[in-house]
Amino acid sequence: EAQVTQNPRYLITVTGKKLTVTCSQNMNHEYMSWYRQDPGLGLRQIYYSMNVEVTDKGDVPEGYKVSRKEKRNFPLILESPSPNQTSLYFCASKTSGTDYNEQFFGPGTRLTVL
Amino acid sequence: EDQVTQSPEALRLQEGESSSLNCSYTVSGLRGLFWYRQDPGKGPEFLFTLYSAGEEKEKERLKATLTKKESFLHITAPKPEDSATYLCAVQRGSRGNDYKLSFGAGTTVTVRA
Repeated sequence: EAQVTQNPRYLITVTGKKLTVTCSQNMNHEYMSWYRQDPGLGLRQIYYSMNVEVTDKGDVPEGYKVSRKEKRNFPLILESPSPNQTSLYFCASKTSGTDYNEQFFGPGTRLTVL
Repeated sequence: EDQVTQSPEALRLQEGESSSLNCSYTVSGLRGLFWYRQDPGKGPEFLFTLYSAGEEKEKERLKATLTKKESFLHITAPKPEDSATYLCAVQRGSRGNDYKLSFGAGTTVTVRA
């Protein structure tokens, strides 16, 4: 089954404790992206990657890091999480090209930073 | 800065009661406008892409239209399974490698049987 998977699905952590949220897709997609979703603000793009070793900032990259060493994986790293990073996070992927047609989203990771 | 505003925030409909959702946008050179459906506890699911004013797309009871300033998602004779949050997003015109996408906050639709 074609899908985007994220782990963990739920995470409660404390301020300053480094964490990684993994994202993997099995559709051989070149493009992958991370979003956060907050009530009243909608989805906001954190980082995106056009292909392996190619990443770029979205609208809200502060406090996050990403890496794209393999085509199928795109982990999101929070080096020193803070309470304002409490949110619902989505990973997404699509084929190459400049349009956002058929962007596939993962099931989400709910992160709480105490 | 790109802005995407969706209204209303929430919409309660009786089964069979048609209605429309609005997505107004401000973007420097629209490359595409996208509609997604999001069910509780799940990621968004792609519905439509609209590229130019006057364009329309249909899928079952849903019809999306686009003008130069806004898009509408019409729900005709809705059923309870149409209950979801509907998200609108815009992609600005390409400047170099500009692939950023801006989403609205969504409209949550509840259809009662």
